[in-house]
Amino acid sequence: RKEVEQDPGPFNVPEGATVAFNCTYSNSASQSFFWYRQDCRKEPKLLMSVYSSGNEDGRFTAQLNRASQYISLLIRDSKLSDSATYLCVGYNTGGFKTIFGAGTRLFVKA
Amino acid sequence: EAQVTQNPRYLITVTGKKLTVTCSQNMNHEYMSWYRQDPGLGLRQIYYSMNVEVTDKGDVPEGYKVSRKEKRNFPLILESPSPNQTSLYFCATRGGAYEQYFGPGTRLTVT
Repeated sequence: RKEVEQDPGPFNVPEGATVAFNCTYSNSASQSFFWYRQDCRKEPKLLMSVYSSGNEDGRFTAQLNRASQYISLLIRDSKLSDSATYLCVGYNTGGFKTIFGAGTRLFVKA
Repeated sequence: EAQVTQNPRYLITVTGKKLTVTCSQNMNHEYMSWYRQDPGLGLRQIYYSMNVEVTDKGDVPEGYKVSRKEKRNFPLILESPSPNQTSLYFCATRGGAYEQYFGPGTRLTVT
């Protein structure tokens, strides 16, 4: 099993839709978690940190469920500009190595 | 402005010709790292450096070297590049809350 697994998609949604991504992780990836956004051929950019208590920033909500070992990202009222690849990221137990999910591709259409 | 810079941004070279990709940061972060990104394989860590004293291998270190002589710079060295090292490379730093900041990327083609 991969340390961090994501559904690669693609997700095709209309503007205004709510879309949710999940990411599961193994025991070896158990430190801090984050969601990054990556536009085509560009560098990943930090979107949100993920906490067990939940983290909300405008239309975006991230959640960590340690019991079930998954991380989620919810995007409400999708915009065309949300079209990108979303990466979930964790670290190994020592916090030294970074572990990326493969990324989930989102297309938002008018 | 806080930033991570990489040079060159694009490079086409031939097999066996040594090259260095530079990475520099002005955020005073201790942790720096190199990644490569390939279609279908996602981002994979090549090397990381916890500070100027500690550097260690990531998941795909073969064929690469790094150097951390000072906090702000972390160059990636390919002593003898091969075609399987054709990839998109990112340098990154990490802040105190484990959030990472990436450079703009270097697209390397080895023929």
